[in-house]
Amino acid sequence: KQEVTQIPAALSVPEGENLVLNCSFTDSAIYNLQWFRQDPGKGLTSLLLIQSSQREQTSGRLNASLDKSSGRSTLYIAASQPGDSATYLCAVRLEDAGGTSYGKLTFGQGTILTVHP
Amino acid sequence: NAGVTQTPKFQVLKTGQSMTLQCAQDMNHNSMYWYRQDPGMGLRLIYYSASEGTTDKGEVPNGYNVSRLNKREFSLRLESAAPSQTSVYFCASSLHPPAGYTFGSGTRLTVV
Repeated sequence: KQEVTQIPAALSVPEGENLVLNCSFTDSAIYNLQWFRQDPGKGLTSLLLIQSSQREQTSGRLNASLDKSSGRSTLYIAASQPGDSATYLCAVRLEDAGGTSYGKLTFGQGTILTVHP
Repeated sequence: NAGVTQTPKFQVLKTGQSMTLQCAQDMNHNSMYWYRQDPGMGLRLIYYSASEGTTDKGEVPNGYNVSRLNKREFSLRLESAAPSQTSVYFCASSLHPPAGYTFGSGTRLTVV
């Protein structure tokens, strides 16, 4: 059974710091990995999607890397801002026996990020 | 706006009552999913529909039924609500790989 772990569970930093959020997964037979942001009481917003054949993806101040063989992904946030405060969720999409994937994302518990002005 | 729309946003039920959570997407996605989110448990898959006309159980299907009405709509039904079903329910959709998921804004359900 795929298990996804995110470290740290919570992080509080002053504005301007560069941050690294970690995600690890136990089964390397993944199709892709997706990072989401969730604001309190809201839904999930997709940040970055990395395919299993890719090493990293970038969007603005966000950079996500993937090391499939070691079962790890990191989300790097540059020059953090108070508006980055949210819960960040990592989710992996497994391959099925036929080599495709019809869903079943497995989520980590999330990292609660607070950026102080 | 394009995306996944869930109704209602909030609901309070009494134990034993039934209700249907509605979900619709306008992105022509093939697959649709229902997740529940609970403190300390994260997001867990209840049911999914890989394509129109098919549905399959996820990790926590007991107490729920689903209907893939057409390609756009995927509903979740609680036949006899229990306090253990108090949760936030999210609907999501996706094209076949390599696409990612799009989530709705959620339904906050309380069963008293």
